[in-house]
Amino acid sequence: QKEVEQDPGPLSVPEGAIVSLNCTYSNSAFQYFMWYRQYSRKGPELLMYTYSSGNKEDGRFTAQVDKSSKYISLFIRDSQPSDSATYLCAMSPNAGNNRKLIWGLGTSLAVNP
Amino acid sequence: EAQVTQNPRYLITVTGKKLTVTCSQNMNHEYMSWYRQDPGLGLRQIYYSMNVEVTDKGDVPEGYKVSRKEKRNFPLILESPSPNQTSLYFCASSLGPNPHANYGYTFGSGTRLTVV
Repeated sequence: QKEVEQDPGPLSVPEGAIVSLNCTYSNSAFQYFMWYRQYSRKGPELLMYTYSSGNKEDGRFTAQVDKSSKYISLFIRDSQPSDSATYLCAMSPNAGNNRKLIWGLGTSLAVNP
Repeated sequence: EAQVTQNPRYLITVTGKKLTVTCSQNMNHEYMSWYRQDPGLGLRQIYYSMNVEVTDKGDVPEGYKVSRKEKRNFPLILESPSPNQTSLYFCASSLGPNPHANYGYTFGSGTRLTVV
């Protein structure tokens, strides 16, 4: 079993839909949780960063962390065609010597006009 | 503009011919890392560096070398490339150690390497 599981999709939604992207993990020591967006032929870019449990909102994006269930989510409201990309979750147990992140494989999202 | 710059973007080479992929960041970040991204395997860390002259192995270091002589530069060296090193490579950097800071990575645009 991988430490971080993420459904690869692809996920196809109409413009304006609410999108829910999820990752599950097995390591209860994870404290730092991130979502990255990767457009085709580009490097990942950081979307959301959360420490420990709870919710964080930034514009149309909301990140949720449920440590009791070892489950994190990214919600996209009013999705736009420009949101079409691969979304990667990443997490880490601590900010120790190696800022090593454990990555999901990514979920491919297509938002159709 | 704050960025991580990798060169080249695309590279086709032959087995055994030494090559270097350059990486430079202009954000004064202490931490830098190299990843490779492969279908079905995701992002895997090759090497990382906590600061100048401090480097260490990631998950898949075999066949690669790195150096960190200056804070801004972190080149990836393939001494004798093989076809199984055909991949998409990313350099990334982040702030120094601070457990409560946002230490998300800034990634370069990637280098697509093909070894024939």
